[in-house]
Formats: sequence, C-alpha cells, structure tokens
Amino acid sequence: GAGVSQSPRYKVAKRGQDVALRCDPISGHVSLFWYQQALGQGPEFLTYFQNEAQLDKSGLPSDRFFAERPEGSVSTLKIQRTQQEDSAVYLCASSLVAGLASMEQYFGPGTRLTVT
Amino acid sequence: GENVEQHPSTLSVQEGDSAVIKCTYSDSASNYFPWYKQELGKRPQLIIDIRSNVGEKKDQRIAVTLNKTAKHFSLHITETQPEDSAVYFCAAGTYKYIFGTGTRLKVLA
Repeated sequence: GAGVSQSPRYKVAKRGQDVALRCDPISGHVSLFWYQQALGQGPEFLTYFQNEAQLDKSGLPSDRFFAERPEGSVSTLKIQRTQQEDSAVYLCASSLVAGLASMEQYFGPGTRLTVT
Repeated sequence: GENVEQHPSTLSVQEGDSAVIKCTYSDSASNYFPWYKQELGKRPQLIIDIRSNVGEKKDQRIAVTLNKTAKHFSLHITETQPEDSAVYFCAAGTYKYIFGTGTRLKVLA
C-alpha cells in the first residue's frame, strides 16, 4: 500500500511569507506526528495528533507554527511569517496505534523548506 | 527536558567489520527504542526496534541491546557492507520519539 506522502517536497519562501505543508498519512493510521529536522541533526518532535485531536503541541517553536488535522486524516503544518531559522526538513510520520503505547512510526519523505 | 545522547557522530569501518553505535536516554518513562537508517535526502527507515521488557533483539546482521537500569541502548551491525553506509538515528519514546543526533557510518570497500 501507499506510504506516508508529503507535499510539496521542496519549498522556497522569502522571509516573512506564510507556508503550508501537507501530510497524507497511511490510510487508517490514527496517530500523526510532525518533526523538524535541521541539517545534520536528528528529527525534533513538533506536535502529535490522535485522529483530529491535537494532544501534544509542546514542540512547536513559536506561535507562528500551527498544525491541524480537521478530519483525522490529512494534516497541514502552517508557518506564518517565516524566518531563516525555520529552514529545515519537516517530516511527517503516522502510526496505526493510538494512545501512549509504544508504537512504530512510518515517516514521509519530508518537505525541505528554505527561507531566503 | 528529555534528551538522547548518541555516539559516535561519525564511524568508519572496513567492509566486513562490525559497527557499534551507543545511545543514552534520560526519560525513565521511555519504553520503546527504535533505530532508523536515513540515506541522503531520503526518509528515515526503521531497521530494528526494542521494547523495554526485552534486553536484546537480533535480526540477521543487526542487533540491539537495552540496559534499562543504566538507560543505555546500542546498535550492533556485523559483517558490514558498503550499502550499510548512511546516517543512523536512535530514538527513545513513549508515544513520541526523542531522537539522538545521528551517527554517520561509512563502510569502506
């Protein structure tokens, strides 16, 4: 079956522009995660959805970052008034299992955001 | 906050030799420890994982060990091949992952 997909794969934004990054999780997966991966670093947790509920947004760097998953499937990560430090790869991951049980996450290919 | 330390940051081995990558985590609540392989420009791919009630797991040339008391876990790759060259990330988690900083493994032919 299809894996996690993300679009666009590459995005160049001028500083101050708003961007929207899309994630299509694996069909039927309840949990959805967003991570930010800076160059040469490991992914860092941003936010977690269980179905349409955003249960953890503790990793969002500032109030310029906003994520939603209104129907419990596709998710959008929006960054307002982009700054150069927002340049990174944004990874989406989904998992079949809900709740706090440990579980395998399947990653998308990421969106590489470059802010100029 | 919670963190995961990973060592070494780079590792070069001769083809056929073994490679060992070590991680230490801080959050006692962590109960799941996956290892991901990431090739340049690609998505992270799970290669092996271990849960907190298990001390060791092996899958062909790859093995992982976990010491919950010491909060240490390690990845062992035996008989390394050039295609093993990539960046490897450990992670510790409950529902979300805290990743290590990565190890760039180079297998020299």
